[in-house]
Amino acid sequence: NAGVMQNPRHLVRRRGQEARLRCSPMKGHSHVYWYRQLPEEGLKFMVYLQKENIIDESGMPKERFSAEFPKEGPSILRIQQVVRGDSAAYFCASSRQLNEKLFFGSGTQLSVL
Amino acid sequence: TQLLKQSPQFLSIQEGENLTVYCNSSSVFSSLQWYRQEPGEGPVLLVTVVTGGEVKKLKRLTFQFGDARKDSSLHITAAQPGDTGLYLCAGEVQGGATNKLIFGTGTLLAVQP
Repeated sequence: NAGVMQNPRHLVRRRGQEARLRCSPMKGHSHVYWYRQLPEEGLKFMVYLQKENIIDESGMPKERFSAEFPKEGPSILRIQQVVRGDSAAYFCASSRQLNEKLFFGSGTQLSVL
Repeated sequence: TQLLKQSPQFLSIQEGENLTVYCNSSSVFSSLQWYRQEPGEGPVLLVTVVTGGEVKKLKRLTFQFGDARKDSSLHITAAQPGDTGLYLCAGEVQGGATNKLIFGTGTLLAVQP
């Protein structure tokens, strides 16, 4: 049973470009969470999604960031017009049910030049 | 803003020594989790403590949740090089969406052979 798969592992973008980060949850998991780990800071919650629904996006920056989890396919975290401050490791986690254990992916390291 | 402060921030010890990592907050959490994260990977859940005063053991690791559910500690007995990693505590927000976690600042442990 494959774990949470994130790709790409590393993504380099120039300022102003778009970044798309993908996350395939574990098989049978319908709850997806995105966290961001900035240099010298801890992991910060961004957004919680279930299939086709955003449940809690209280940790998402108001502009340029969006997330989706379509009926088919992976969850996508999209960052438009990236800036240097967006450089971070972005982790996706999934769980089968709301109160169950979280499994994290290996993350996508985004570097903005 | 709910914060979880971990201490120490860095710890370098010799194989066979004992150590304790602390996780403190002024906020009450409905549960607290401990994770270990290795370089380039996502956090892996070690344990969840739910009840104030609860103690859980995982081989050489002992986890305790404070009576008031504001703090926690992780004690490692006879540390081994394989214990090296970043240890993160994470509190589950009361009244919020489950798995919306507040992560601590982390303790980077290095165990020298």
